[in-house]
Amino acid sequence: DQQVKQNSPSLSVQEGRISILNCDYTNSMFDYFLWYKKYPAEGPTFLISISSIKDKNEDGRFTVFLNKSAKHLSLHIVPSQPGDSAVYFCAASAPYGGSQGNLIFGKGTKLSVKP
Amino acid sequence: EAGVAQSPRYKIIEKRQSVAFWCNPISGHATLYWYQQILGQGPKLLIQFQNNGVVDDSQLPKDRFSAERLKGVDSTLKIQPAKLEDSAVYLCASSFSGGDTDTQYFGPGTRLTVL
Repeated sequence: DQQVKQNSPSLSVQEGRISILNCDYTNSMFDYFLWYKKYPAEGPTFLISISSIKDKNEDGRFTVFLNKSAKHLSLHIVPSQPGDSAVYFCAASAPYGGSQGNLIFGKGTKLSVKP
Repeated sequence: EAGVAQSPRYKIIEKRQSVAFWCNPISGHATLYWYQQILGQGPKLLIQFQNNGVVDDSQLPKDRFSAERLKGVDSTLKIQPAKLEDSAVYLCASSFSGGDTDTQYFGPGTRLTVL
């Protein structure tokens, strides 16, 4: 049973436009959410995170929005650049059990930004 | 600052053979994770170490997988015997303290192909 879902396997956007990547989760115990970016043949790289006590977090061109009631978060990239082309993973962390920091990942969305 | 190092980068073996992967985390990071990423999926946690102790190995197939972090620094992950379904990228990550808001830094991964 997938607890973190990224329902769009791929997304294509024109350079300079906004990219919106979506993520849904099912476990209300999740209290911290992260986005990782992954280029081919490299490990995932941390991009941005948000705590469940917030509904928005910005870092330069990247903004993450959290809607707890809908169990939904989204990553906005404005403006999109060709170098943003990568696979983006949504991940959630829960403070329960003996494994704090245990990240549960979605399947990823492949973003292609066309010049 | 050096990142997380992993070796080898690629490995091809036949089923029923054994294989071992090595990880050197970021200096000073107490927590080390091993993830398995099957093609088309997000990374899935196999085992989490805090210093040289196991925090969570609930998703590690213990009949064939083993891992150790004897001196609380480097770690090895072993598969014996390998099955076809073990073909995946094995990612090592480390974080400073392992808290649920602690950023995990990933290595480049080892791509395993089991024939």
